[in-house]
Amino acid sequence: KAGVTQTPRYLIKTRGQQVTLSCSPISGHRSVSWYQQTPGQGLQFLFEYFSETQRNKGNFPGRFSGRQFSNSRSEMNVSTLELGDSALYLCASSLDPTVNSPLHFGNGTRLTVT
Amino acid sequence: QQQVKQSPQSLIVQKGGISIINCAYENTAFDYFPWYQQFPGKGPALLIAIRPDVSEKKEGRFTISFNKSAKQFSLHIMDSQPGDSATYFCAASRYSSNTGKLIFGQGTTLQVKP
Repeated sequence: KAGVTQTPRYLIKTRGQQVTLSCSPISGHRSVSWYQQTPGQGLQFLFEYFSETQRNKGNFPGRFSGRQFSNSRSEMNVSTLELGDSALYLCASSLDPTVNSPLHFGNGTRLTVT
Repeated sequence: QQQVKQSPQSLIVQKGGISIINCAYENTAFDYFPWYQQFPGKGPALLIAIRPDVSEKKEGRFTISFNKSAKQFSLHIMDSQPGDSATYFCAASRYSSNTGKLIFGQGTTLQVKP
């Protein structure tokens, strides 16, 4: 079974631009969560989607948004990029949040903002 | 109330030794405590998890010890091997809230010397 797939693996953007990251969950998984990983702040929860609905949102500004499609694939968007947005963005999928099944993480998208 | 504090930040252990990583939490509503292992260039992978109804859980060389009254839990890696060299994250969440939102500790970089 294929794991969580995130594209692209690396991205370089300029301040002020916007970016879209993509995540394909494990087949059959219907819940997708996004995390930001930085050396200073560690792993921080961004948001969680299930059945195309956002169920939870972390403490990030409105520039960070996401969505989930009917096939459970998810995208996150960051608008008006800032230098501090440089991070590894991780997507995780699980079977169904109602049973709190374990999260399976992808290998992330490394975003560099210059 | 939302923090999970992890220590030490880094750890060097000889092959065959015991690696011990500690975490403390503040929010008494947390009732699910997983540990994740992350290798460079990869996403975190679930290692082992515990709920407060047991004080210890063992899976192979990995053991979680849980102290509910002290609000602390720890990971013990017995017979540590060079292949265990990775970054380890403890995390916490509210199992009953049926969410993929995890609060992570800052991580511990483990190096096992041959």
